[in-house]
Amino acid sequence: GQSLEQPSEVTAVEGAIVQINCTYQTSGFYGLSWYQQHDGGAPTFLSYNALDGLEETGRFSSFLSRSDSYGYLLLQELQMKDSASYFCAVRERAAGNKLTFGGGTRVLVKP
Amino acid sequence: KAGVTQTPRYLIKTRGQQVTLSCSPISGHRSVSWYQQTPGQGLQFLFEYFSETQRNKGNFPGRFSGRQFSNSRSEMNVSTLELGDSALYLCASSLVGTESYEQYFGPGTRLTVT
Repeated sequence: GQSLEQPSEVTAVEGAIVQINCTYQTSGFYGLSWYQQHDGGAPTFLSYNALDGLEETGRFSSFLSRSDSYGYLLLQELQMKDSASYFCAVRERAAGNKLTFGGGTRVLVKP
Repeated sequence: KAGVTQTPRYLIKTRGQQVTLSCSPISGHRSVSWYQQTPGQGLQFLFEYFSETQRNKGNFPGRFSGRQFSNSRSEMNVSTLELGDSALYLCASSLVGTESYEQYFGPGTRLTVT
């Protein structure tokens, strides 16, 4: 099965906060990345956690806990333009360091 | 600096045919990776090239192949097309290979097999 698990869809209203969890089962990897993809567009890099803890980039924050085998992306002060799919990704050592993506979480922001 | 470009953007082929997709990475980027994206399977890694050498390969049949040229441009080829090959094929480039966590994606080639 998938090495990385994410919820398939999340719906929230403008101004709200959304947390997208990413749980993983890989034994070793080089940090956790997050990408955003709008419908019809290409994925764009959002953030990277090499170490445990919180990384903040504007309205978006990402967190990693290797001991708990999970990470999350936090979207604050949601805006309509944040409606998109969000993917977590890791480079798995056991898989030749290839980049493996989670199934993606579709975030729908309502007015 | 120009982004990653992919050609063609859209392609319609029939079963049994073959197709070649092209990717030009960001200037200076030596690593190019290819992904297949479908609604059911998400983003699936195809292969990664660095300095004209394939460094990683995903779990796809031998009908899928690729190569990288000395100018870092890359092509992927799919032979004997099947209906299930209909997907968005994305190319991504990065400065280095497996050490890089940030990849820059192109707009993709939408392949439809009929």
